[in-house]
Amino acid sequence: GAGVSQSPSNKVTEKGKDVELRCDPISGHTALYWYRQSLGQGLEFLIYFQGNSAPDKSGLPSDRFSAERTGGSVSTLTIQRTQQEDSAVYLCASSSLSLAGSLDEQYFGPGTRLTVT
Amino acid sequence: AQSVTQLGSHVSVSEGALVLLRCNYSSSVPPYLFWYVQYPNQGLQLLLKYTSAATLVKGINGFEAEFKKSETSFHLTKPSAHMSDAAEYFCAVRGGAQKLVFGQGTRLTINP
Repeated sequence: GAGVSQSPSNKVTEKGKDVELRCDPISGHTALYWYRQSLGQGLEFLIYFQGNSAPDKSGLPSDRFSAERTGGSVSTLTIQRTQQEDSAVYLCASSSLSLAGSLDEQYFGPGTRLTVT
Repeated sequence: AQSVTQLGSHVSVSEGALVLLRCNYSSSVPPYLFWYVQYPNQGLQLLLKYTSAATLVKGINGFEAEFKKSETSFHLTKPSAHMSDAAEYFCAVRGGAQKLVFGQGTRLTINP
């Protein structure tokens, strides 16, 4: 079956513009995560969606960042008024519930490389 | 709060030699621990995971890791390195709300 897909694979934008990054999780996975990978900060958690529960937004670095998940599937991460420090690779992951009722391991997409000029 | 520390940002070994990548964790609850590998311009691929069953965990591509509670360690090993093992390796612990907390990564170079 298909893995996690992300689009675009690369995005170059000017400082101050808004960008939208898309994630298609593995079909049937109830949980979806966004992470950011940058040279200075390593891999950081951004936001987590699980089913119909309110998302955990505790990792979002500022109010310029937001994310939504429509229909329990596709997710969009939006960055408003982009800054140069937003340049990073944005990774999406999804996971399913195990038989024991806990969340299974996370499967990662290839990422979107964002460059803010 | 959970955290992991990877000792050594760069490790270089000869082809055929032992690979040892070090990871120490901090967790207030029994941890779930993971090793992921990232090849250039690709996402993260799960190598193996520890979820409180056997302390010696075998993963893909000949890698294994041993959970040692007394040392709070979860080091990754492979008996014989192959050129295709060159990549970046990340240790992670599952934190609150199921999120992964990653170490800073170790770049593995294989010398012919």
